[in-house]
Amino acid sequence: GDSVTQMEGPVTLSEEAFLTINCTYTATGYPSLFWYVQYPGEGLQLLLKATKADDKGSNKGFEATYRKETTSFHLEKGSVQVSDSAVYFCALSPNQAGTALIFGKGTTLSVSS
Amino acid sequence: NAGVTQTPKFQVLKTGQSMTLQCAQDMNHNSMYWYRQDPGMGLRLIYYSASEGTTDKGEVPNGYNVSRLNKREFSLRLESAAPSQTSVYFCASSDSGSWEDTQYFGPGTRLTVL
Repeated sequence: GDSVTQMEGPVTLSEEAFLTINCTYTATGYPSLFWYVQYPGEGLQLLLKATKADDKGSNKGFEATYRKETTSFHLEKGSVQVSDSAVYFCALSPNQAGTALIFGKGTTLSVSS
Repeated sequence: NAGVTQTPKFQVLKTGQSMTLQCAQDMNHNSMYWYRQDPGMGLRLIYYSASEGTTDKGEVPNGYNVSRLNKREFSLRLESAAPSQTSVYFCASSDSGSWEDTQYFGPGTRLTVL
């Protein structure tokens, strides 16, 4: 079945460091891909998404490109801030109506000043 | 515009007790979902409702029932709670259930079963 694998955490960085969180997927067809972020004590918020191959999603300085050839959707940010500390989830939505998201296990990011 | 709301925020139950988690959305979305979040497991789908009047099982439906009361509301019921149901429960909604749709999440209910 469809699945998402993302790098294990926690990831610990200093402020202004470069961030990469790897995400790969297995799916039949052409899913949509998402990154969600969860701040402590809160629900999940959409960070960015891409719905077809070679699309780049971007938001708040974060970027991810839908790579069909490598089945990947890696999250990157050029300069992290303390306020980026959160849990990041990669997810896919199979390309059929009426289905829900399939999530990776989440990666905890901790940024120190 | 409140988005997706959930009640209660916290709940402690004893084994065997029952309870209903409430979820409502004010975005006129057609599809609604219930997930559970456990440490190191990501989120897993319990049930979903593609549209008013329909419900379907997800990955982990055992021990749960759902009701899509109307277009706005989607409740999750635990008939006889077990310690394995200790988790954080999230409700979500999306416009049409298309695979391209963004799902919007509520703030969650933290449930402990003793």
